[in-house]
Amino acid sequence: QSVLIQPPSASGTPGQRVTISCSGSSSNIGRDSVNWYQQLPGTAPKLLIYSDSQRPSGVPDRFSGSKSGTSASLAISGLQSEDEADYYCGTWDVSLNSRVFGGGTKLTVL
Amino acid sequence: EVQLLESGGDLVQPGGSLRLSCAASGFTFNNYAMTWVRQAPGKGLEWVSGITCGGGTYYADSVKGRFTISRDNSKNTLYLQMNNLRAEDTAVYYCSKGYSCSSGAPFVWGQGTLVTVSS
Repeated sequence: QSVLIQPPSASGTPGQRVTISCSGSSSNIGRDSVNWYQQLPGTAPKLLIYSDSQRPSGVPDRFSGSKSGTSASLAISGLQSEDEADYYCGTWDVSLNSRVFGGGTKLTVL
Repeated sequence: EVQLLESGGDLVQPGGSLRLSCAASGFTFNNYAMTWVRQAPGKGLEWVSGITCGGGTYYADSVKGRFTISRDNSKNTLYLQMNNLRAEDTAVYYCSKGYSCSSGAPFVWGQGTLVTVSS
């Protein structure tokens, strides 16, 4: 059981907007910033969102992140077939004194 | 361009040892924290260990006492010494560059190296 809770799967059709949630606690999301990672099949993870809502250069503005209290969300608008991937949230947990990840959400583009 | 190249993954018997290396280039290595993250076959990401630019180290409970993270700033290389390996340590191990000197939040990832622990 992961410290950060994500839905195991999500889906949408091309052009749609989908959101992926990440639920934590006051010792992790409530205390530190959240990052989101995209892992395309057979490849290494890639940073998608950092510091809750910032996009690294090169990441399309279709991807956005937000945080409220002990939960965070990743939104993908204008869904494209190449967005089909696993998505992970991550942050630091001050009680565990360790970095923690969500269990991952597999996004399917129908 | 930031590049991270892991090496050292192999097939090893339970109880054995292995040292992973991560050669970094394209950034000032000694200014950034570094992190190891692993992914067991078909599973999610698991943080293993991190080291700040000042040499402070952090470990997941699952590897504490068995794994040692270190860095050689003169060689721009990160290491992970893994002892007393168990079957559950089987995974692809990723090296990652942190956000800052003290934050090891993975920003750039290497391509990974596979460690298989089996008799």
